[in-house]
Amino acid sequence: QVQLHQWGAGLLKPSETLSLTCAVYGGSFSDNYWIWIRQSPEKGLEWIAEIDHSGSTNYNPSLMRRVIISVDSSRNQFSLKLSSVTAADTALYYCARGMLSVAFAVDYWGQGTLVTVSS
Amino acid sequence: DIHMTQSPSSLSASVGDRVAITCRASESIGNYLNWYQQKPGKAPELLIYAASTLQSGVPSRFSGVGSGTDFTLTINSLQPEDFATYYCHQTYSTPRTFGQGTKVEI
Repeated sequence: QVQLHQWGAGLLKPSETLSLTCAVYGGSFSDNYWIWIRQSPEKGLEWIAEIDHSGSTNYNPSLMRRVIISVDSSRNQFSLKLSSVTAADTALYYCARGMLSVAFAVDYWGQGTLVTVSS
Repeated sequence: DIHMTQSPSSLSASVGDRVAITCRASESIGNYLNWYQQKPGKAPELLIYAASTLQSGVPSRFSGVGSGTDFTLTINSLQPEDFATYYCHQTYSTPRTFGQGTKVEI
């Protein structure tokens, strides 16, 4: 059974850096790719970035200047950093697994972390 | 970016109804289209991938068709547990964009 467990700070001040980590339990870490997605009432579901086990990345251009996604394959973990946050970054953040061999569909999600940016 | 447009944004239906939700891509995405169901307070769950393949464990009353730019999710004989929000998601290219969602209400 595959499980994704994520953690990180939920309350940030403007200009701070959001930092989240996701641990993957079960399944193959190398046969899939790893994603951060956020959800807000204003923007709906928004794909942030993805990475594979070797560190190959793709970023949403709208966030690219502020985002870093990284992977620690030895621990089956991946992380997200989003710098210079503003109120517009307030959202529910999910880590997720994408299937490389199956239309890149997302088949497992973390429990979500509500991140609020407020002074 | 590829823009995904779902219609309708919401619909009202009754148990036993057949429901269809459409998703249109702003450019051709082949069959790189997936459908998700989300219930309040929960993460989305994969229903259909590659436009028409049912994810393991998903009831057969869910089906998907389409290719290119136009796709449809159909729910046959709507059940009480199907009242939720449904999203399409293109994975043809990055950024991998989502539709705005369709809320299925009683």
